[in-house]
Amino acid sequence: GEDVEQSLFLSVREGDSSVINCTYTDSSSTYLYWYKQEPGAGLQLLTYIFSNMDMKQDQRLTVLLNKKDKHLSLRIADTQTGDSAIYFCAESGYGGATNKLIFGTGTLLAVQP
Amino acid sequence: DVKVTQSSRYLVKRTGEKVFLECVQDMDHENMFWYRQDPGLGLRLIYFSYDVKMKEKGDIPEGYSVSREKKERFSLILESASTNQTSMYLCASNRGLNTDTQYFGPGTRLTVL
Repeated sequence: GEDVEQSLFLSVREGDSSVINCTYTDSSSTYLYWYKQEPGAGLQLLTYIFSNMDMKQDQRLTVLLNKKDKHLSLRIADTQTGDSAIYFCAESGYGGATNKLIFGTGTLLAVQP
Repeated sequence: DVKVTQSSRYLVKRTGEKVFLECVQDMDHENMFWYRQDPGLGLRLIYFSYDVKMKEKGDIPEGYSVSREKKERFSLILESASTNQTSMYLCASNRGLNTDTQYFGPGTRLTVL
């Protein structure tokens, strides 16, 4: 079945770049998403990339997609303490009306001042 | 702005109790989802609904049931709560399009004693 994997933890210093990686197995995924979860809150959509794109940039966020290797990454430039959160990648298949998402395990990003 | 609300942020119940978790969305979305979130396991889909009175099992439906009598409301029911159902429960919704992202509620942290 479909599977999405992420490393569990990443620690960076304030001002550095963070790179969070994700691998997935479903090659038919139409969209791939990055969600952010702050402590005690639900998930909020950060950004997404369509499967026929290689890169998408949105202010401090850069998403890279290597479809051949089924590898997705999220780069956060000039990481701030407010970026400390859990980051989930998710893939969306082109399957039916329900648009189920398959989520990774989440990466806890800790930003040290 | 899409709003997904959940009836409680924190809930403490006893083993064997019947538990209702309520979710309401105000954007006329067709699809609604219930997930549970556990450390190191990410989000796992319990049940989803693609229309009023319609439901489908997700990846971990055992011990749970759902009800969708109105389009805006999706309830998760624990018929007889057990300690292994202590978790964070997240509700989400989206439109009935294959590529539409999901919008999440703030979550309910349920503790079963």
